[in-house]
Amino acid sequence: AQSVTQPDIHITVSEGASLELRCNYSYGATPYLFWYVQSPGQGLQLLLKYFSGDTLVQGIKGFEAEFKRSQSSFNLRKPSVHWSDAAEYFCAVTDSWGKFQFGAGTQVVVTP
Amino acid sequence: DVKVTQSSRYLVKRTGEKVFLECVQDMDHENMFWYRQDPGLGLRLIYFSYDVKMKEKGDIPEGYSVSREKKERFSLILESASTNQTSMYLCASSTQQGGLRFDTEAFFGQGTRLTVV
Repeated sequence: AQSVTQPDIHITVSEGASLELRCNYSYGATPYLFWYVQSPGQGLQLLLKYFSGDTLVQGIKGFEAEFKRSQSSFNLRKPSVHWSDAAEYFCAVTDSWGKFQFGAGTQVVVTP
Repeated sequence: DVKVTQSSRYLVKRTGEKVFLECVQDMDHENMFWYRQDPGLGLRLIYFSYDVKMKEKGDIPEGYSVSREKKERFSLILESASTNQTSMYLCASSTQQGGLRFDTEAFFGQGTRLTVV
């Protein structure tokens, strides 16, 4: 069965600084990987997804993620954080049936 | 615009009550899910349905059951609500697409915040 680990429960970052959120997955076959964001009081929104091909994936809101099979990782990055990026971020993996498993989430706090 | 609709945003129920949480999707998706979201625990899968009348237990099915009589509707049932079931419940749907043209994502409802007193 697939699973996802997000090692960082909480990250504080200054506005304008870079951000990297870690995600490690466990899955025996080719993983299908996702990052979702949940802003306060809002539903979950897809940031980006990886199925195959180029291991660097671009998403919405200036986010990107890199798939590294050798490290079983799919880390999310943003070069310069805005105050509106304060939210909870979830990494997810699915199999070919579309059964999604999510990580515990990383809460991002942006300071002035 | 694609949509997953949960029937209630907020619910308050008493211990021992039978509780129904309803979810409807308009995307003709094969898969539907119920997750529970708690601080520090992320989204934990309660039940997964991959077809009408077909279901599979997730990671935390105890105390819950589900019903899927129609493709677009997936119900979560708490047979006898308990205070430890106070939580945010999220419904989602996704397609099944195998093979080389695999492409899917999970679409979420706005959530139902259930309080059991």
